[in-house]
Amino acid sequence: GESVGLHLPTLSVQEGDNSIINCAYSNSASDYFIWYKQESGKGPQFIIDIRSNMDKRQGQRVTVLLNKTVKHLSLQIAATQPGDSAVYFCAENYAGGTSYGKLTFGQGTILTVHP
Amino acid sequence: DAGVIQSPRHEVTEMGQEVTLRCKPISGHNSLFWYRQTMMRGLELLIYFNNNVPIDDSGMPEDRFSAKMPNASFSTLKIQPSEPRDSAVYFCASTNRAQGGTGNTIYFGEGSWLTVV
Repeated sequence: GESVGLHLPTLSVQEGDNSIINCAYSNSASDYFIWYKQESGKGPQFIIDIRSNMDKRQGQRVTVLLNKTVKHLSLQIAATQPGDSAVYFCAENYAGGTSYGKLTFGQGTILTVHP
Repeated sequence: DAGVIQSPRHEVTEMGQEVTLRCKPISGHNSLFWYRQTMMRGLELLIYFNNNVPIDDSGMPEDRFSAKMPNASFSTLKIQPSEPRDSAVYFCASTNRAQGGTGNTIYFGEGSWLTVV
């Protein structure tokens, strides 16, 4: 029978295109956000983070945008490469009190880059 | 620099057996986390330690699960007795939490892939 599990959104792009992965977060008190990349058989790998006092942060080929008004986070990858193919997770956290480190992960988006 | 180191990487065990998963956090990090990843529920926090002290274990599913951190460089997650529904990937992560609770990057290990048959 068919297995039941998370049905992850997928994004397919051509090599060299720009990719945009979106994430809606749930907790308006969250003040720290991280994007992780997870390749098959590996652990989540940190890509970039952003604190709630910022609305944009850039890294190498990646940009994270934060819109607190609508609780939306996006990851932009420039000049996407086949090696970027993976599952991408956003995570939110409220860094204060005992909630620190209690990352709440999104369901993930599967990015496939075609040569 | 060495990242978060977990062992074993893969374990297959029979239902009812005890399973012990091990983690060595990144040197100098003072916070350690155990996460579980399944297809059904995604990534979930089980427990986390700050300065070797358990702070929040509300994610631990049942009394069959226990975690310890005897020193700053070692932690274990134990399942006794194990059940097939415990099959998952268990990740350990660590960070250096600054005073005042400011968030810092949380780094994950490669995971321990557990199959209980």
